[in-house]
Amino acid sequence: NAGVTQTPKFQVLKTGQSMTLQCAQDMNHEYMSWYRQDPGMGLRLIHYSVGAGITDQGEVPNGYNVSRSTTEDFPLRLLSAAPSQTSVYFCASSQRPESSTDTQYFGPGTRLTVL
Amino acid sequence: GDSVTQMEGPVTLSEEAFLTINCTYTATGYPSLFWYVQYPGEGLQLLLKATKADDKGSNKGFEATYRKETTSFHLEKGSVQVSDSAVYFCALTLPGGGNKLTFGTGTQLKVEL
Repeated sequence: NAGVTQTPKFQVLKTGQSMTLQCAQDMNHEYMSWYRQDPGMGLRLIHYSVGAGITDQGEVPNGYNVSRSTTEDFPLRLLSAAPSQTSVYFCASSQRPESSTDTQYFGPGTRLTVL
Repeated sequence: GDSVTQMEGPVTLSEEAFLTINCTYTATGYPSLFWYVQYPGEGLQLLLKATKADDKGSNKGFEATYRKETTSFHLEKGSVQVSDSAVYFCALTLPGGGNKLTFGTGTQLKVEL
């Protein structure tokens, strides 16, 4: 199993550009989520999905879109990049959406810089 | 709102020293508590967890006990190694809140020879 994979590893954008961060998992997990990691702030939840076709907002959703057309994939779209979106982005997955005790598995992260 | 507070880092220790990283939480209801570790250049991975009061989570020589009376989940290790150098995150989830993790700010640990 590859686990949770993310592409790209690094990306530099100009203000106003759009892009999609890719996330895939091969563990047949129902729950997937996106976090951003900023210095001094820990990780904050952007969006999450409890299954194919179902998504919802987390703590910091503004400026981001998600969709979940398959169980495996959960891409994160930046519609019009802003310098405030410079961050490290992590995708995570876990087996049971209804469980608050399941282990979450994280991808290696995408480091995004917006100029 | 629900929150997790961790001790500020960075923490620098000599190899074989005793480690404590403090974590306290504020939450409605009875959360599940987690420690995740992030090694340099990698994503987070679960280190240990505890899902009810007085539970002790343990893994790789690390331990943490869920103390409801002090709303704490301090991470301890008796003898750290250079390979333990990483960032450690305390986190919680709420019953009925599914898998949504609320993280502390993280504590960087550096272990020197």
